[in-house]
Amino acid sequence: DQQVKQNSPSLSVQEGRISILNCDYTNSMFDYFLWYKKYPAEGPTFLISISSIKDKNEDGRFTVFLNKSAKHLSLHIVPSQPGDSAVYFCAAKGQETSGSRLTFGEGTQLTVNP
Amino acid sequence: DAGITQSPRHKVTETGTPVTLRCHQTENHRYMYWYRQDPGHGLRLIHYSYGVKDTDKGEVSDGYSVSRSKTEDFLLTLESATSSQTSVYFCATGKGGANSYGYTFGSGTRLTVV
Repeated sequence: DQQVKQNSPSLSVQEGRISILNCDYTNSMFDYFLWYKKYPAEGPTFLISISSIKDKNEDGRFTVFLNKSAKHLSLHIVPSQPGDSAVYFCAAKGQETSGSRLTFGEGTQLTVNP
Repeated sequence: DAGITQSPRHKVTETGTPVTLRCHQTENHRYMYWYRQDPGHGLRLIHYSYGVKDTDKGEVSDGYSVSRSKTEDFLLTLESATSSQTSVYFCATGKGGANSYGYTFGSGTRLTVV
């Protein structure tokens, strides 16, 4: 039972354009969402997060949108840069989750072409 | 000195042999986690720890055991390695507590079971 799903395994965009990465979840008890970025041969690194009481959080070129009614969140990168090419993981935390555990999606490989 | 160190970085082992992966942190974080990354599955939680000698199972714990005898170290043991345990293993730590839900990840251990 995959509670966090990223349905697009890959996404390719041109440098300077917008990248939109999507994530859907099924557990209505999730109350905090995060995006991680992963380069090859490295561990994932935290990118941006959002609480379930908000619908938008922005940090520089990165914006995360949350639509609770649709159980959907998205990460927007504007403008996209070649250095943004990486695997992006969506993650979620449940209110009832002990140990602050996060549930991750499958990941989306973003390629930004010069 | 890196905050989270995983050892070894790469290992090839034979089916049926025991294997222990080590995670060492200098962050003094309360929570520690072991995840495995596989294509099409993203990051899946194996085991986690919420304090010294306090551990619990994640979603894919069969065939794995863990131990945490001190805050800094979290060991993952494959009692009898199988080919299905060929994967990249990531250790992560978390401070826990309100609004501190993000993890810090190690660089990973690539394990091949032949």
